[in-house]
Amino acid sequence: AQSVTQLDSHVSVSEGTPVLLRCNYSSSYSPSLFWYVQHPNKGLQLLLKYTSAATLVKGINGFEAEFKKSETSFHLTKPSAHMSDAAEYFCVVSEKAGGTSYGKLTFGQGTILTVHP
Amino acid sequence: DGGITQSPKYLFRKEGQNVTLSCEQNLNHDAMYWYRQDPGQGLRLIYYSQIVNDFQKGDIAEGYSVSREKKESFPLTVTSAQKNPTAFYLCASSIGGGAPYEQYFGPGTRLTVT
Repeated sequence: AQSVTQLDSHVSVSEGTPVLLRCNYSSSYSPSLFWYVQHPNKGLQLLLKYTSAATLVKGINGFEAEFKKSETSFHLTKPSAHMSDAAEYFCVVSEKAGGTSYGKLTFGQGTILTVHP
Repeated sequence: DGGITQSPKYLFRKEGQNVTLSCEQNLNHDAMYWYRQDPGQGLRLIYYSQIVNDFQKGDIAEGYSVSREKKESFPLTVTSAQKNPTAFYLCASSIGGGAPYEQYFGPGTRLTVT
């Protein structure tokens, strides 16, 4: 079974300061991990994904995440927050599927990022 | 311009009425999904389809129905049996369903039932 825990439901930062959104996962097998962003009343947009290649993954808009197997973590970071980063962020885990088995995505509860001027 | 369209953006219905939400994709993806989003609960899978004319129940399928007659289209019907239908509904698609491919999301439909 797989699960995702986003450790903070809300994070507040000032513009220009670093962003850290924390995610821990549980998976029986080698997982794939994703971060998605959702602006109010919009669909989800993929920020980045980890699929067992490099453990440090770079995504769009300056975001990156590091896969740490020993800590079962996949935290999202950005060196300098921008006002446009204000949104809700979802950490997502998926186990590799076999044959015709569906590779189910499990979503975390979401972290709302607020950016102050 | 490839993507996923959902219509309408906002939908209002009276209790007891069935309502159908539209989802169309022109990405040539085999797999399509429906999720429900409620505040503080992340996304929960309602139904998914890995191929035309085939679909499976997700985690919260009760009170919902789907069809997949065309590769491009995956409409969701919210029936009167769904006890709490007011929510934000998101449709997604992926290249295939047999591996953890990333999913691409539509803009969503906000359904309000009174």
